[in-house]
Amino acid sequence: KAGVTQTPRYLIKTRGQQVTLSCSPISGHRSVSWYQQTPGQGLQFLFEYFSETQRNKGNFPGRFSGRQFSNSRSEMNVSTLELGDSALYLCASSLGRNSFNEQFFGPGTRLTVL
Amino acid sequence: GEDVEQSLFLSVREGDSSVINCTYTDSSSTYLYWYKQEPGAGLQLLTYIFSNMDMKQDQRLTVLLNKKDKHLSLRIADTQTGDSAIYFCAETPGGGSYIPTFGRGTSLIVHP
Repeated sequence: KAGVTQTPRYLIKTRGQQVTLSCSPISGHRSVSWYQQTPGQGLQFLFEYFSETQRNKGNFPGRFSGRQFSNSRSEMNVSTLELGDSALYLCASSLGRNSFNEQFFGPGTRLTVL
Repeated sequence: GEDVEQSLFLSVREGDSSVINCTYTDSSSTYLYWYKQEPGAGLQLLTYIFSNMDMKQDQRLTVLLNKKDKHLSLRIADTQTGDSAIYFCAETPGGGSYIPTFGRGTSLIVHP
């Protein structure tokens, strides 16, 4: 069974631009969560999607948004990029919602904002 | 907000046991987790413990939970060089909130 895939793996953007990251969950998994990992703030939860609806949301500004499609694939969008948005963005999938005890993570997308 | 604390580094000799410690502040934590992150990779869920348990063993891994002191530990028996990684402790609270809080991670260095 294929694991969680994230595209692209690396991305370089400049301040003010917007970016869209993609996550394909493990087949059959319906929940997708997104996390931001930075040296300064560590690992922080962004949001969780289940059945195309956002179920949980972390403490991030409205510039961070996401969506989930009917095939459970998810995208995360960051608008008006700031230098502090440089981070590793991790996506994780699980069968059901709020199932953090059975999450599988992708390798992440490394975003650099110049 | 709630907080999860870990020491930053741990160095052990191959074959010894490693003990990684974590403290948390949220008394309503329902699940507590240990994740492993190898260089250039995402997170791997190693094990988790429900808050009404005090111990869980899974092969070389033993998790101990002291709910009174809000202290969680991960013991790795017979530590190998392949265990070198960053280990994260995390918790999800109760009360209808499922937003996880992570520690800053402990870098485990295993030397021959």
